[in-house]
Amino acid sequence: SQKIEQNSEALNIQEGKTATLTCNYTNYSPAYLQWYRQDPGRGPVFLLLIRENEKEKRKERLKVTFDTTLKQSLFHITASQPADSATYLCALGKETGANNLFFGTGTRLTVIP
Amino acid sequence: NAGVTQTPKFRILKIGQSMTLQCTQDMNHNYMYWYRQDPGMGLKLIYYSVGAGITDKGEVPNGYNVSRSTTEDFPLRLELAAPSQTSVYFCASSYSSSSREQYFGPGTRLTVT
Repeated sequence: SQKIEQNSEALNIQEGKTATLTCNYTNYSPAYLQWYRQDPGRGPVFLLLIRENEKEKRKERLKVTFDTTLKQSLFHITASQPADSATYLCALGKETGANNLFFGTGTRLTVIP
Repeated sequence: NAGVTQTPKFRILKIGQSMTLQCTQDMNHNYMYWYRQDPGMGLKLIYYSVGAGITDKGEVPNGYNVSRSTTEDFPLRLELAAPSQTSVYFCASSYSSSSREQYFGPGTRLTVT
């Protein structure tokens, strides 16, 4: 079965630095990959989607890369702020079916002022 | 728009009791999902629906049932609650299009003792 690993359970960085989160997967060939943000006690919120034929996607201070050869996605937050502190989840999906997603376990990011 | 709403927010059940978790969305989404989230385990898909009257099993359906009589509502039924069903439950919905992003409710925290 598919396996999705976000290789840091927790990541602490200084305000203003770039945070880089990693999502690796095996036994799966996703058509797209999504990143979500989850705050304590709340549901995940969609941030970005990148498809298998795209190398990079940007949205404001966020950047996502997708390497289907390495089976890896990197999620970057530039000029990080304490308000970026949250858990970030990656999720894989295929174009067929009901948009079913397989989620990673998440990385808890803390931005230290 | 309220988005995706879930009730109740918290519930404590005794072993063997039954209950229904309610989920409603007002975005006219065709696709709806139920996930459970356990500490360190990521979100796991329980059941999903591609439209009124159509439901299907996800990764972890045992011990649960669903129905979808309207586009808006997707209740999750727990029969004979067990301690293993202690978790946080999230309902989500999405468009049946290429956008693929899922909109999540605030979650229901369930404890079975």
